[in-house]
Amino acid sequence: DVKVTQSSRYLVKRTGEKVFLECVQDMDHENMFWYRQDPGLGLRLIYFSYDVKMKEKGDIPEGYSVSREKKERFSLILESASTNQTSMYLCASIETGTGANVLTFGAGSRLTVL
Amino acid sequence: TQLLEQSPQFLSIQEGENLTVYCNSSSVFSSLQWYRQEPGEGPVLLVTVVTGGEVKKLKRLTFQFGDARKDSSLHITAAQPGDTGLYLCAGAANYGQNFVFGPGTRLSVLP
Repeated sequence: DVKVTQSSRYLVKRTGEKVFLECVQDMDHENMFWYRQDPGLGLRLIYFSYDVKMKEKGDIPEGYSVSREKKERFSLILESASTNQTSMYLCASIETGTGANVLTFGAGSRLTVL
Repeated sequence: TQLLEQSPQFLSIQEGENLTVYCNSSSVFSSLQWYRQEPGEGPVLLVTVVTGGEVKKLKRLTFQFGDARKDSSLHITAAQPGDTGLYLCAGAANYGQNFVFGPGTRLSVLP
C-alpha cells in the first residue's frame, strides 16, 4: 500500500515565522498535492506537482510556495505565516491507471498561527 | 469554477438507522469519489464511480452516480458507530488528476 507521511502532525507558530511542512511518499508516484482543509469549505488545492522540480498553482496558492527536489518529497512552505493560515494541511499522492485516479492522503498537519 | 455541494452538512442518528447523504453539482464529472475521514486522519477512499447511473455496493454502503454524472448519493444501511466520520465527495473532470471536493457531511452514529 502507498504510504504518505507527514512528519509534523501538530505545529504552533507565530505570525511572520517561516513554516515548512514536509510530505514523503514511498511508492514512486509522480503526482503529489497539497490541500488545506477548513470546516465547511472542504479541501482546497494549494499546489500540485507532476514531476521533480515541476509545480503548478492550485486554487489558493497565495501565501504559499512548494518545493519538489526529489520525487518522493513534496514540501509546502509558508514564507511568512499569518493567522488566516491556521488550518489542517493534507498532502496526497496519486495512483494513476485505467479509469479514475485514486488519491492517497497523509494523516495531516494541523497548523496554528498565533 | 466547478463546485460540489453536500447535504446534509451534519447528521446524528442512532445505531441501526438508515441514512442517505447527497453530493450535487451543476457540472459534469468524468468520475466521482467518496472518501471517509476520521478525526486526526487523512481521508480514505471508499469508492470511485465512473459511469452515469452506476451503482456500487460496499457491504452496508451503496453508492450511486447520477445518470448525467452531476450528482451522487451514499446510502448506509443499519448504521454503526464505526461509520462515524466526515464523508467527502470529490469530482474529477475530463479524467484529470485534479479533484474538486465537497464540504463534507459529518456523520455521528450513536450507540
